[in-house]
Amino acid sequence: AQSVTQPDIHITVSEGASLELRCNYSYGATPYLFWYVQSPGQGLQLLLKYFSGDTLVQGIKGFEAEFKRSQSSFNLRKPSVHWSDAAEYFCAVDNQGGKLIFGQGTELSVKP
Amino acid sequence: EPEVTQTPSHQVTQMGQEVILRCVPISNHLYFYWYRQILGQKVEFLVSFYNNEISEKSEIFDDQFSVERPDGSNFTLKIRSTKLEDSAMYFCASSTPGQGNTEAFFGQGTRLTVV
Repeated sequence: AQSVTQPDIHITVSEGASLELRCNYSYGATPYLFWYVQSPGQGLQLLLKYFSGDTLVQGIKGFEAEFKRSQSSFNLRKPSVHWSDAAEYFCAVDNQGGKLIFGQGTELSVKP
Repeated sequence: EPEVTQTPSHQVTQMGQEVILRCVPISNHLYFYWYRQILGQKVEFLVSFYNNEISEKSEIFDDQFSVERPDGSNFTLKIRSTKLEDSAMYFCASSTPGQGNTEAFFGQGTRLTVV
C-alpha cells in the first residue's frame, strides 16, 4: 500500500537558517509527489510538485525539493527561512488516480 | 485566480443531526474530492468524484456519508447522522482533466464541530 512518512513531527529553526524537511514514500510505480503548506486555520497551499523530468523542482516562496528514487525521498529545502514560513508542511503522493496520500505533517517553528 | 470555495467556514451541529458541507470547485475542473483532517492528525482522503459518480472512496466513507453534484457548480458532502468523531476540518479539492498529471486545488476548509 502507498504511504508517506514525514519523520519529523516538529522542527524549530532560526530565522535566516537553512531548512530541510524530510519525506519518504512507499509506492510501486513512478510517483507524483507534492509538498503543501498549511498556515493555522487555513487551507492547503501547493508549494511544489514533481511529475517527471528534472529531479530538482522549484516551488513558490523560495522552496525547492529533490526527488531521489534510490532513497524513495522527496525532501523539501529552503536556503534561508523567514518568520512567515512558520506553518505545517505536508508531503503527499498521488496514486495516479487523483487521490492524494498525505504524510503526518511537520510543524515548523521559526525563532527570531 | 480561480479558487475552490467552501461554505460554511465553521459549522457546529448536535450529534445525530445531518450536515451538508458545500463546495464550489474551479469551473473547468472535472474531478472533485473530499478530504478530512482530524485535529492534530494528517489529511485523509474520503472520496473522489468524476462524471457524476464516485470513482474511489476510503474505508472512512461509510454509509453515513454521501456526495452529490446537484447542479453545474456545487459539490456537496452530506453526513447523515453525525457522530462526535466526525469533528474535523473537511477540505474540498478539484482538478482538471488529465488526472494524475495535474495538481489538486484545495478550498480553505469547513471546520465541523459535533457536540
